[in-house]
Amino acid sequence: EAGVTQSPTHLIKTRGQQATLRCSPISGHTSVYWYQQALGLGLQFLLWYDEGEERNRGNFPPRFSGRQFPNYSSELNVNALELEDSALYLCASSVGLAGFPETQYFGPGTRLLVL
Amino acid sequence: AQKVTQAQTEISVVEKEDVTLDCVYETRDTTYYLFWYKQPPSGELVFLIRRNSFDEQNEISGRYSWNFQKSTSSFNFTITASQVVDSAVYFCALSETQGGSEKLVFGKGTKLTVNP
Repeated sequence: EAGVTQSPTHLIKTRGQQATLRCSPISGHTSVYWYQQALGLGLQFLLWYDEGEERNRGNFPPRFSGRQFPNYSSELNVNALELEDSALYLCASSVGLAGFPETQYFGPGTRLLVL
Repeated sequence: AQKVTQAQTEISVVEKEDVTLDCVYETRDTTYYLFWYKQPPSGELVFLIRRNSFDEQNEISGRYSWNFQKSTSSFNFTITASQVVDSAVYFCALSETQGGSEKLVFGKGTKLTVNP
């Protein structure tokens, strides 16, 4: 069974540009989560989508946004890139709203570098 | 507020030594879930274990074992007879159930280096 996949693996952008990161969950999973792992800041929760809806959002500015498609894949968009957005962006998936936290399985991540 | 503390930033051991990674958590919730993940140099987080707050039984999986003590809010992870392939950053994480947030709150991680 295929795991969570993310694309691209690496992305280089300049300040002010927009970045789009993509994630495909494990088959049968309806929830997708995005986390940012920046140097020195650890792993921080960004967004959670389930059944096409944004369910929860971390403490990030509105220029971080995303969506979930009918096939449950997801996109993370970062507008007006800043140098501090350079980080590893990890996507995870789980079986979805079960009334309790299901295990989140992570993809390999997208390394975003903002110059 | 939820908080996970992994006081050990880095640990270095020699192969075949046993090593324990500490994890202390804070939560106001009575129902919560604890996780351990491994992050090798490739970057992908690998799930190791999930434990809910009602299950305080220790668990053993091969060379890995976990000690959950609700009284001290700790969920420690022990690797027995460590191997070079165990070298990675290990994260402890907490998820609450209230409000259906389902976000994971991670500790800062412990970097384990196993030397041959």
